Amino acid sequence: QVQLQGSGPGLVKPSETLSLTCSVSGGSISSYYWSWIRQPPGKGLEWIGYIYYDGSTNYNPSLKSRVTISLDTSKKQFSLILNSVTAADTAVYYCATGLVWFGEFRGFDPWGQGTLVTVSS
Amino acid sequence: EIVLTQSPDTLCLSPGERATLSCRASQSVSNNYLSWYQQKPGQAPRLLIYGASSRATGIPDRFSGSGSGTDFALTIRRLEPEDFAVYYCHQYGSSSWTFGQGTKVEIK
Repeated sequence: QVQLQGSGPGLVKPSETLSLTCSVSGGSISSYYWSWIRQPPGKGLEWIGYIYYDGSTNYNPSLKSRVTISLDTSKKQFSLILNSVTAADTAVYYCATGLVWFGEFRGFDPWGQGTLVTVSS
Repeated sequence: EIVLTQSPDTLCLSPGERATLSCRASQSVSNNYLSWYQQKPGQAPRLLIYGASSRATGIPDRFSGSGSGTDFALTIRRLEPEDFAVYYCHQYGSSSWTFGQGTKVEIK
């Protein structure tokens, strides 16, 4: 059974780079969408993007120019990099995954615990 | 981008009552690739439904999903105290995935 543990700094300065990592345990890297989702304080969920186990990626068009998601299969980790952050990027960042079964995504399950990242000088 | 609009924003009900939450898409969701999540304060969301109507593992059968095309619904047959939470729909039928803004189910 896959479990996720996110990690990374809780404070990032404006214009700098946000970098988070999610460690995977208890399951295979194959056949999953490895994803990042964020939630500004008191607001709803926003999908950031995913990387498939074959290395293909898909990003939210509104963030695409600033986002990179990567996968390290040997370490069983996937990472999020968000460049040129502003206060609007302050949010809880969740890593999440979901099985792709015969070409069909089965929903985000499980999720990591969430990391609050504050953008402030 | 497909915009998902959930209604109502807030639903005030008593334990034991039936809850029906709506999620309307700005265009048809391919293959009915729509899921529902429950989120409680301070917790990560929990998957309830995927593929519009398939219950995720371990989800009680009082939760059911329905709909197709642009109109989807989540029904909670008899509300239990632990069901009071915020619910989100999510579509993954287009290349740009999106979430609805959420419906809060609160105790009347």
